[in-house]
Amino acid sequence: NAGVTQTPKFRILKIGQSMTLQCTQDMNHNYMYWYRQDPGMGLKLIYYSVGAGITDKGEVPNGYNVSRSTTEDFPLRLELAAPSQTSVYFCASSRGTSGAEQYFGPGTRLTVT
Amino acid sequence: AQSVTQLDSQVPVFEEAPVELRCNYSSSVSVYLFWYVQYPNQGLQLLLKYLSGSTLVESINGFEAEFNKSQTSFHLRKPSVHISDTAEYFCAVSETGGYQKVTFGIGTKLQVIP
Repeated sequence: NAGVTQTPKFRILKIGQSMTLQCTQDMNHNYMYWYRQDPGMGLKLIYYSVGAGITDKGEVPNGYNVSRSTTEDFPLRLELAAPSQTSVYFCASSRGTSGAEQYFGPGTRLTVT
Repeated sequence: AQSVTQLDSQVPVFEEAPVELRCNYSSSVSVYLFWYVQYPNQGLQLLLKYLSGSTLVESINGFEAEFNKSQTSFHLRKPSVHISDTAEYFCAVSETGGYQKVTFGIGTKLQVIP
């Protein structure tokens, strides 16, 4: 199993550009998550999904959008990139049962200039 | 609402010395507790977790953590660290009962000095 895969690994965007961060998992997990990690701030939940067609906001959803058309894929969309969105983005998945482990992808390092 | 506090942002320790990484949590209900580890340029991976039963939980690479309900703590310890333990460690909490989101601490960077 590949686990959770993310593309791209690195990206530089100009202010106002748009892009989609891709995330795919092959563990048939119902729950998927997007986090951003900033130095000294830990992980902040952006959006999560409890199954195909169902998404919900996390702590810091502004400036982002998600969709979940299949169990495997959970893309994160940045519509109008801003410098404040410079961060490392992690996708994760889990079975979703109480106490279940989250499996993380390798991350996407995004710089907005 | 739940929260996690990791008081130490960085912990330098000499190789083969013991280490303790501190974690305190806050919640009005029962919780599950986790430690995740992040090696350089990688995603997080689960190190160990407490769900119920014995309050002392261990990982396969020699770390252990003890759930202390009265002190609302879940400190991570290792009696003798290796260079390969250099990483960032995140404590996390979720409330029990059905699906509950996980709240992560800000992380503690463990630097093992040769």
